[in-house]
Amino acid sequence: GQQLNQSPQSMFIQEGEDVSMNCTSSSIFNTWLWYKQDPGEGPVLLIALYKAGELTSNGRLTAQFGITRKDSFLNISASIPSDVGIYFCAGLGYGNKLVFGAGTILRVKS
Amino acid sequence: SAVISQKPSRDICQRGTSLTIQCQVDSQVTMMFWYRQQPGQSLTLIATANQGSEATYESGFVIDKFPISRPNLTFSTLTVSNMSPEDSSIYLCSVSIGSSYNEQFFGPGTRLTVL
Repeated sequence: GQQLNQSPQSMFIQEGEDVSMNCTSSSIFNTWLWYKQDPGEGPVLLIALYKAGELTSNGRLTAQFGITRKDSFLNISASIPSDVGIYFCAGLGYGNKLVFGAGTILRVKS
Repeated sequence: SAVISQKPSRDICQRGTSLTIQCQVDSQVTMMFWYRQQPGQSLTLIATANQGSEATYESGFVIDKFPISRPNLTFSTLTVSNMSPEDSSIYLCSVSIGSSYNEQFFGPGTRLTVL
């Protein structure tokens, strides 16, 4: 079946730093979605990407849909403590079914 | 987006029993889905809840274990039957909206612990 490889698995951030994470797949997806999940909550949709090459921003978040349609990245600029959480990429595949990456855990560097 | 609520938010159950989880949406939606998120893991699709017909299950999930109802366009239930500790997970419903059903929004989840 379709699978997504998301990296890094986890990372520590210091306030003010820029953060980058990405997802790759051997399959083509027509839509890429990025979610954030806080403890005890459901995932919240951050950004949706619909076209190959598309670059979309949502505040300090920027995401791109790879030109091959097999990858996407998410950047967070000038991170703040509330950015801590788990970030998931997801590709919309056959039958409108979402395939999720394994997640990137963002923690605060102490 | 849509406002999605789930009941219960959490439960602790004994093995061998069953739990029914409800998902309510504040507007009519065409597509509803149920996911499982095992501890520390990503989300896995259980099934697509179809209004007026049987749910469509993913590989590894069967109707006898996870019966699903979808009586109308705003409500669905997922039952976890004959539970074992391996069923301890977060169960999430989601809805797909938009002109091409490209965006999915999730409920807050139901945290299930089976003893």
